[in-house]
Amino acid sequence: AQSVTQLGSHVSVSEGALVLLRCNYSSSVPPYLFWYVQYPNQGLQLLLKYTTGATLVKGINGFEAEFKKSETSFHLTKPSAHMSDAAEYFCAVKESGGSYIPTFGRGTSLIVHP
Amino acid sequence: GAGVSQSPRYKVAKRGQDVALRCDPISGHVSLFWYQQALGQGPEFLTYFQNEAQLDKSGLPSDRFFAERPEGSVSTLKIQRTQQEDSAVYLCASSPTGSSNEQYFGPGTRLTVT
Repeated sequence: AQSVTQLGSHVSVSEGALVLLRCNYSSSVPPYLFWYVQYPNQGLQLLLKYTTGATLVKGINGFEAEFKKSETSFHLTKPSAHMSDAAEYFCAVKESGGSYIPTFGRGTSLIVHP
Repeated sequence: GAGVSQSPRYKVAKRGQDVALRCDPISGHVSLFWYQQALGQGPEFLTYFQNEAQLDKSGLPSDRFFAERPEGSVSTLKIQRTQQEDSAVYLCASSPTGSSNEQYFGPGTRLTVT
């Protein structure tokens, strides 16, 4: 079984401040992990993913995430927030080994203040 | 190139009506996924096609839900005798391979059942 917990349904930061969105997962086998962004009235867009290899993963728009097996976490960070980063962010987990069904978290809404 | 498109973007149905939601995946994409996204929640898996074969329909909530992809391209999600609890955004995603590691999402169809 797999599950995802995103801590905080809303995160508010000032423009230029560090962005940290938290994601913890549960998986009975080694996981594949994903972060997606959803802008209003649009579909989800893949930001980054971890499958194998380097545990620090860089994605689009300056975001990165680090897979920490001991903490079962995959937190998303960005050093400096832009107004355009305001959106809904979803963490997802999928079991490796041929599974094709991802489980998504409930999402975190990122609010960026000028 | 064109992304995943869905139609209609918005649908209002009276309780008991049948609805059909269309998904046009990216040309050549092998896999197609349908998800249901309730308000304030992450997407939940409904069903999965590889080409024209429906390999998994375990997420369909009831036998009122039916999906098809007869020629391995366009897909239709049909909901019969709609109920208020069917109100949600229905997302379609396609992937170039049999994996869900790189899904491209459409903008979704927002279904409101009154």
